[in-house]
Amino acid sequence: QSALTQPPSVSGSPGQSVTIPCTGSTSDFINYRRVSWYQQPPGTAPKLLIFEVTNRPSGVPDRFSGSASGNTASLTISGLQTEDEAVYYCISYIGANFHFGGGTKLTVL
Amino acid sequence: QVTLRESGPALVKATQTLTLTCNFSGFSLTSSGMSVTWIRQPPGKALEWLALVDGKGFRHYTDSLGTRLTISRDTSENQVVFTMTKVDPADTATYYCARVVGESHYFDYWGQGILVTVSS
Repeated sequence: QSALTQPPSVSGSPGQSVTIPCTGSTSDFINYRRVSWYQQPPGTAPKLLIFEVTNRPSGVPDRFSGSASGNTASLTISGLQTEDEAVYYCISYIGANFHFGGGTKLTVL
Repeated sequence: QVTLRESGPALVKATQTLTLTCNFSGFSLTSSGMSVTWIRQPPGKALEWLALVDGKGFRHYTDSLGTRLTISRDTSENQVVFTMTKVDPADTATYYCARVVGESHYFDYWGQGILVTVSS
């Protein structure tokens, strides 16, 4: 089901920025803006961070932003904080099917 | 305020049928563009989508688990019921229900999840 590819891990220091890529086999999920991002801190349920490539739900800090280019969507977290340590997932809905990334563990050093 | 809560057994024996219920509030499944979905996460592993039902009764299942899954909705009771037949220890996971919205089908609210262990 992991038709989206994410790196297993990324890391950064407090105050820095990190970008997590999510690559699909085609660009359809980006062209139709059907990609969303979720944050899952340890032991908790996932939380919606970004929907439709770039949109942030109310309550999500603007340190979190989404972008896309070609067949890759990206989540950028700026001004890293220790509480940003979590696993981040990208998910798309294309062809009446959901496609999940394998998750990226962010470590804040 | 939108909330979802999963309920069901914490322990199931192999070959039995698992039944989970998602009770939700703060929205109506009959509203346009609303669906409820089930997703699971084996311990230490990634999320896996399982099934979805919308307010019109349309049901969609992951191909990988085929005919083992059933999802149904009770719009008057604000419940979605999920069943998985012939469970195996590999089905041990935290099971989440979530609300699905929009044409892009993103999951904007999640339940807290329920850990289900399948014993051999």
